[in-house]
Amino acid sequence: NAGVTQTPKFQVLKTGQSMTLQCAQDMNHNSMYWYRQDPGMGLRLIYYSASEGTTDKGEVPNGYNVSRLNKREFSLRLESAAPSQTSVYFCASSERTGGTYNSPLHFGNGTRLTVT
Amino acid sequence: AQSVTQLDSHVSVSEGTPVLLRCNYSSSYSPSLFWYVQHPNKGLQLLLKYTSAATLVKGINGFEAEFKKSETSFHLTKPSAHMSDAAEYFCVVYGANNLFFGTGTRLTVIP
Repeated sequence: NAGVTQTPKFQVLKTGQSMTLQCAQDMNHNSMYWYRQDPGMGLRLIYYSASEGTTDKGEVPNGYNVSRLNKREFSLRLESAAPSQTSVYFCASSERTGGTYNSPLHFGNGTRLTVT
Repeated sequence: AQSVTQLDSHVSVSEGTPVLLRCNYSSSYSPSLFWYVQHPNKGLQLLLKYTSAATLVKGINGFEAEFKKSETSFHLTKPSAHMSDAAEYFCVVYGANNLFFGTGTRLTVIP
């Protein structure tokens, strides 16, 4: 039972390069999320997908795009990386139905991204 | 608006002594509150959650938290710290269709 799997674990990009962070979950969860974690700032929501076929902006969506490829997979794309996007990125999933958070978030182990 | 404030960025305790991690929340209605733990180079894991049932909530690994509406607090406690408790802890409030994370408290356990 893998849970939430993120790839890659580490990545270094130059300013202006693009890349896609991959996320897959095997728990048959409806909802998936992308967060970024920066020192002293907790986690901030970038985008989320409440169900297959839908995506919505979170708190810090600028500079990112997402694709909910199917129920299992939710990818995050940086079209033109900037140093301000240096961060640790976490994917999460949950059962979440009816707009509630009573079911817990299950997190991947993160992708550490550095943009030079 | 919903938010949480974790009052200590870093807490150090000796092994076997009690743990207290403090969290105050702000919410315009009855909140749902959570504590998550993050071990080094890992994702976050749910410790416990409060959703307006009992005010004293028991979680995994011996942790518990008490919801105090009059003090707008949701402090995390454990009677006796273990070395394996060394991690970062996040207090989280649900609101406006989103989760709002505190800035985290790093717990160090001294042998």
